[in-house]
Amino acid sequence: GIQVEQSPPDLILQEGANSTLRCNFSDSVNNLQWFHQNPWGQLINLFYIPSGTKQNGRLSATTVATERYSLLYISSSQTTDSGVYFCAVELFSSYKLIFGSGTRLLVRP
Amino acid sequence: DTAVSQTPKYLVTQMGNDKSIKCEQNLGHDTMYWYKQDSKKFLKIMFSYNNKELIINETVPNRFSPKSPDKAHLNLHINSLELGDSAVYFCASSQGTMGTEAFFGQGTRLTVV
Repeated sequence: GIQVEQSPPDLILQEGANSTLRCNFSDSVNNLQWFHQNPWGQLINLFYIPSGTKQNGRLSATTVATERYSLLYISSSQTTDSGVYFCAVELFSSYKLIFGSGTRLLVRP
Repeated sequence: DTAVSQTPKYLVTQMGNDKSIKCEQNLGHDTMYWYKQDSKKFLKIMFSYNNKELIINETVPNRFSPKSPDKAHLNLHINSLELGDSAVYFCASSQGTMGTEAFFGQGTRLTVV
């Protein structure tokens, strides 16, 4: 089946730093989403980005579908950015999201 | 005006009991899902329903039985609970069956003792 690999698995930042999270996937997909799971366990939608680039405040994401990867940029990180960031993809005709194992981010004040 | 809501948020129960988790969405979506997050935070699909019809059953033990009374609701009933069922269960919904954005509920943390 499809492999979804996220890197790095763990990341520690000082408040104000920038970072890039990566998601590689092994097959063509028709959906890619980035989620933030906050320390309270909620899964928050960040981006729905099967291709192209989107920005939302300090966050932006780029998916290059032909090369099977997506990047999530976090700029000027804040302590509230801490949590786990998941990439999830959906294969054509699969009716389900397949999640990567996540990047655990800790932002220190 | 929560989009996808689950109840209860926490559930602690003894082995062998039967329990249900309820899910409702007010987004007008026609597809709903159950996902399970294990202790290592890995998320995996369990079931997908489209217009009240089951379209995915991802080799889940038949002690787990989803029920969709209408497009806005998808409940999960679990019989004869086992210690290994302890996990966080997430309900989600999306418009359409493929390639559309999915939205998740706040999760139900089930602990079997």
